[in-house]
Amino acid sequence: QVQLVESGGGVVQPGRSLRLSCVGSGFTFSDYEIHWVRQAPGKGLEWVALISYDGERKYYAASVKGRFTISRDNSENTVFLQMNSLRPDDTAVYYCAKVTTRFDFTGDLDYWGLGTRVTVSS
Amino acid sequence: QSVLTQPPSVSAAPGQKVTISCSGSSSNIGKNSVSWYQQFPGMAPKLLIYDNDKRPSGIPDRFSGSESGTSATLDITGLQTGDEADYYCGTWDSSLSDARVFGGGTRLTVL
Repeated sequence: QVQLVESGGGVVQPGRSLRLSCVGSGFTFSDYEIHWVRQAPGKGLEWVALISYDGERKYYAASVKGRFTISRDNSENTVFLQMNSLRPDDTAVYYCAKVTTRFDFTGDLDYWGLGTRVTVSS
Repeated sequence: QSVLTQPPSVSAAPGQKVTISCSGSSSNIGKNSVSWYQQFPGMAPKLLIYDNDKRPSGIPDRFSGSESGTSATLDITGLQTGDEADYYCGTWDSSLSDARVFGGGTRLTVL
């Protein structure tokens, strides 16, 4: 069955860095775009970033552009989110999710991981 | 301020029908497919509707979606107490800054 598992969250001081990982299984990982979506405590869903199936195209929310970098290693079925210059308002649960249709970066998100919590605090 | 607009809350009695709206623009709902997600407290979002009106396997037909112009709607019929959750619409925005966008979420209360 399809599974996405995030890891790498934790407590970090403002200005520091953290790298999140998302490992996929149960599907042909290299055929699908992967998104990162976050949810701050008590708030709604906020899209963070997207990487195309081959890693060639990357898109970012304005709130993280220039600070976060998304990448993938299809040989390891893993997508990464490198988060630099972290701020308190980056505090959230971070989810990764795959698109419904192969090679379609505008597609809907069908499977989500359970999330990894990131807390930015001094 | 979310790109897609949803009512913050809706409520109805068990067995009744509720409608959740999602309003967007020509660069998002007007151009791309809409999906709906159900989220219980402390849990990950779950896909309810994709491609405007399609249900993934396992989603009961009490849940249905539709789209018209720059708006979308999620209907839930035969409400159950177990449907109490937050509901989010989402789509792709094909404007100058391509991005995935979500509504602010709607809290459903089954009275």
